[in-house]
Amino acid sequence: AQSVTQLGSHVSVSEGALVLLRCNYSSSVPPYLFWYVQYPNQGLQLLLKYTSAATLVKGINGFEAEFKKSETSFHLTKPSAHMSDAAEYFCAVSGGGAQKLVFGQGTRLTINP
Amino acid sequence: SAVISQKPSRDICQRGTSLTIQCQVDSQVTMMFWYRQQPGQSLTLIATANQGSEATYESGFVIDKFPISRPNLTFSTLTVSNMSPEDSSIYLCSGRPPNTEAFFGQGTRLTVV
Repeated sequence: AQSVTQLGSHVSVSEGALVLLRCNYSSSVPPYLFWYVQYPNQGLQLLLKYTSAATLVKGINGFEAEFKKSETSFHLTKPSAHMSDAAEYFCAVSGGGAQKLVFGQGTRLTINP
Repeated sequence: SAVISQKPSRDICQRGTSLTIQCQVDSQVTMMFWYRQQPGQSLTLIATANQGSEATYESGFVIDKFPISRPNLTFSTLTVSNMSPEDSSIYLCSGRPPNTEAFFGQGTRLTVV
């Protein structure tokens, strides 16, 4: 079975500050890992994905994430937050040939002016 | 990536009635998924829908309550039957080509009164 834990249901940072959203996973098979963003009243949009290639993954809107197998982590970062980054962020895992995604609880990111 | 058109985008329904949600994909996709997102929570998988076979339901979800159709590789429907206020949620459909990321519809925001 696979699972995802996102530490912090709500993260608040100042505009221009570093964004760090934490994600730890559990998987008995090599995982595929994803970060999705959900803006209010919208569906989910893919930010980035890890599929066993480079461990440092760059995504859209200046976000990146690093896969650390030893720590079973896939934390999302952005060097400088922008007001438009305010949204809900979900980490998800799949693997072992299973196509379905298992989602974390989500982290609501608030940006303070 | 592919685009999913999901409708209706929102609805307010009377308890005891049923609502059918439709998802149309702009390309052929083998596997489609239906998720529920209860207010302020993460996404929970309801079922996996493959063309030509009965949907596979996750624990806690049953076909009588959430019948699913998948008549071809570009279309699926989810019906929420005999609705109660507890069914008030966002329902999202998703498609995922093999070994790549999932893409999502915009969601259906359902309120049961």
